[in-house]
Amino acid sequence: DQQVKQNSPSLSVQEGRISILNCDYTNSMFDYFLWYKKYPAEGPTFLISISSIKDKNEDGRFTVFLNKSAKHLSLHIVPSQPGDSAVYFCAASYSGYALNFGKGTSLLVTP
Amino acid sequence: GAVVSQHPSWVICKSGTSVKIECRSLDFQATTMFWYRQFPKQSLMLMATSNEGSKATYEQGVEKDKFLINHASLTLSTLTVTSAHPEDSSFYICSARDPLLGETQYFGPGTRLLVL
Repeated sequence: DQQVKQNSPSLSVQEGRISILNCDYTNSMFDYFLWYKKYPAEGPTFLISISSIKDKNEDGRFTVFLNKSAKHLSLHIVPSQPGDSAVYFCAASYSGYALNFGKGTSLLVTP
Repeated sequence: GAVVSQHPSWVICKSGTSVKIECRSLDFQATTMFWYRQFPKQSLMLMATSNEGSKATYEQGVEKDKFLINHASLTLSTLTVTSAHPEDSSFYICSARDPLLGETQYFGPGTRLLVL
């Protein structure tokens, strides 16, 4: 049962533009959300997180938005750079338990 | 900070042999470590959660006698795949969490296992 869903398997964005990656979840108990970036044959790299008590968290070019009523979060990358090309996983947890991952969105940033 | 290492990074073994994978937190104390598995083009699937000094908690469908997990210290957890078979070939990734650092899990680089 997939509790975290990333419905777009891939996204292509031009360099310099905004990349928006979306994620939906079904479990209202989730209270902590994270975004990871992953290259093939490597472990995920933590990017940014947000607690359920917030609706926005920003770190440099990365901003995560959380809409609890819609059970939706998104990751904005602006401006997008070719080095951002990777698979992005959305993850959620509650009370510090293990992460529930989405299936990932492959982002391609073209020059 | 918050670096997690895994060893080996890849391993090829014959069917029926056992393989041990180590996961270490290098600069923090990992009270909880998690083991994930990722098949090609799929998401990371949690296999088990281990807390230092206690038995691991396995997810449904994961055989605890086949995937032995030991978390004997605050910086080391091991996953042993016993009597490995070709269907165990996968990418195994560990993560570690220190409550002092918040709820974020930090991942190791993964171990690619190929069972012939």
